[in-house]
Amino acid sequence: QVQLQQWGAGLLKPSETLSLTCAVFDGSFSGYYWSWLRQPPGKGLEWIGEINHRGSTNYNPSLKSRVAMSTDTSKNQFSLKLNSVTAADTAVYYCARVFRPTWYFDLWGRGTLVTVSS
Amino acid sequence: QSVLTQPPSVSAAPGQKVTISCSGSSSNIGNNFVSWYQQLPGTAPTLLIYDNNKRPSGIPDRFSGSKSGTSATLGITGLQTGDEADYYCGTWDSSLSAVVFGGGTKLTVL
Repeated sequence: QVQLQQWGAGLLKPSETLSLTCAVFDGSFSGYYWSWLRQPPGKGLEWIGEINHRGSTNYNPSLKSRVAMSTDTSKNQFSLKLNSVTAADTAVYYCARVFRPTWYFDLWGRGTLVTVSS
Repeated sequence: QSVLTQPPSVSAAPGQKVTISCSGSSSNIGNNFVSWYQQLPGTAPTLLIYDNNKRPSGIPDRFSGSKSGTSATLGITGLQTGDEADYYCGTWDSSLSAVVFGGGTKLTVL
């Protein structure tokens, strides 16, 4: 059964860069799009963007200027970088598998709480 | 403010039926497929419904989805206390070029 395992720094200072990685276990990496989403404490879900195994990306326009995603196909991993973080970026960040073209997320990581505080 | 509109909360007794609405526009629900997610307290969301009305394997037929025009509905029958969770609708928005979600609905099984 395919599993997603994610990790990264959980505490950042304002202006630093958020960095998270998600590994795909026991399943195909190629042929899918892979997404990052986030959920501020007590709030709803926000889609950050997606990437496929070829490195083709699609970002949420609201975050596009600060986001970069990448893949390491040799390790079946994909990563998120979000620069110039502020307290508004405090959230649980999830990695997920995207089923295109109808845009649903059928597999999710367990989430990583990232707190931005001085 | 979420692009898709959901009621903040719904409630019903065990064994009863409940529906959760998700309202959008022609740029999102009206021309794209809708999915629904269940988020139990302290856990990641899980897929409940995709392509408006399809259930992934392992999801009981107590859960159903429908879409009409620019609105979608999640139905849950035979409510159980284990169904207490937050429920989110989601879809692609062609104008925003982004996946958008509703603000979530908290289901309480009284």
